[in-house]
Amino acid sequence: GENVEQHPSTLSVQEGDSAVIKCTYSDSASNYFPWYKQELGKGPQLIIDIRSNVGEKKDQRIAVTLNKTAKHFSLHITETQPEDSAVYFCAVSRPAQGGSEKLVFGKGTKLTVNP
Amino acid sequence: DTEVTQTPKHLVMGMTNKKSLKCEQHMGHRAMYWYKQKAKKPPELMFVYSYEKLSINESVPSRFSPECPNSSLLNLHLHALQPEDSALYLCASSQPPGAGGPSYEQYFGPGTRLTVT
Repeated sequence: GENVEQHPSTLSVQEGDSAVIKCTYSDSASNYFPWYKQELGKGPQLIIDIRSNVGEKKDQRIAVTLNKTAKHFSLHITETQPEDSAVYFCAVSRPAQGGSEKLVFGKGTKLTVNP
Repeated sequence: DTEVTQTPKHLVMGMTNKKSLKCEQHMGHRAMYWYKQKAKKPPELMFVYSYEKLSINESVPSRFSPECPNSSLLNLHLHALQPEDSALYLCASSQPPGAGGPSYEQYFGPGTRLTVT
């Protein structure tokens, strides 16, 4: 089955700095790569995603890059703010039975942005 | 609107109780999911319903019984749980490919924090 490795497990940055989280995956048939932010006591929130036919996607301070050949993708957060502090999960998806999809998550990165 | 709602927010139950978790979405999504999340771990897939039919059961013990009464609702019936089943139970929904709208994007609810005593 799919194996997703996520690094680092914890990341501490100063407000205004950039943060980068990296994930690698094993199944070359995977075709969709979302990133989720989970704050304490809440469900995961989809913040950005990328599909296998795209190399990079940006949404304001957040960007994701994908290298399908090397099977890795990264989340980039610029100009970090204290409210960016949360656990971030990468995930990898491929179509499953019945038109649904199966998400496999990385182990998560706890990001702390210090004021 | 990308809202998935779950009730109750918290649930404490004994090992002999029967309870149910409920999930609702009004985004017109035709795929719905149950995940289990232990503390400091990622969500783990339990069940997937696609077009109201169970399409994936990740070898979940029979003390967890899912139900999809219609395209907007998803239930998880709980019976004879063990203390190790204590976790955050998350519901999610997405639009299958070809059903209209962006596919694959899974939206999660806030979860039900379950404690089994």
